[in-house]
Amino acid sequence: QSALTQPASVSGSPGQSITISCTGTSSDVGGHNFVSWYQQHPGKAPKLMIYEGSERPSGVSNRFSGSRSGNTASLTIFGLQAEDEADYYCCSYAGSSTWVFGGGTKLTVL
Amino acid sequence: QVHLQESGPGLVRPSETLSLTCIVSGGSISGYYWSWIRQPPGKGLEWVGFIYYSGSTSYNPSLKSRITISVDTSKNQFSLKMSSVTAADTAVYYCARFRDPANGVAFDYWGQGTLVTVSS
Repeated sequence: QSALTQPASVSGSPGQSITISCTGTSSDVGGHNFVSWYQQHPGKAPKLMIYEGSERPSGVSNRFSGSRSGNTASLTIFGLQAEDEADYYCCSYAGSSTWVFGGGTKLTVL
Repeated sequence: QVHLQESGPGLVRPSETLSLTCIVSGGSISGYYWSWIRQPPGKGLEWVGFIYYSGSTSYNPSLKSRITISVDTSKNQFSLKMSSVTAADTAVYYCARFRDPANGVAFDYWGQGTLVTVSS
């Protein structure tokens, strides 16, 4: 069970859009529509932003969007705002009732 | 609003057993899965394992031989025990509620996390 692959960092200016990728295998990301995304500000607990690939929990801004193609899931943030600066983690079902997270991506809003 | 709170020693000696408890308030522990997730300082998240309220469990294969997760529905809490700890087990440990496919698969509520340091 290996961690999902995410870019270490991404950046964008306020108002721009960015996409964070999360690459796995056919055993995890590509085999199930159970990818979720979490936002983590420094010193805080992670917060659920997207579940089941593209579903947004109540209260999460519609600027956050999730998608999946093959073994890669993506999180897109539209209209970047300063408060979006945080670490982002993907998570996927990995089979046999186990779960795996990505290594995390640090988003910097320039 | 569901609230989770971790508790346990912040310092554990190498080779000893780490014990943490998560108290769930604002909702019943019944009907859901309950998970432990950890994060070494400056690193990413790692799923440790989870337990269904009825007691069935699933563990991270890399940790399976050393961990036990249990649940006490009468106290609305669940616990983690990890044996033979080393410095590599130093991390912030989070407890979280896990929703199954019937409810939209995700870890939706998280505790604030508790730092456990393994050191002599």
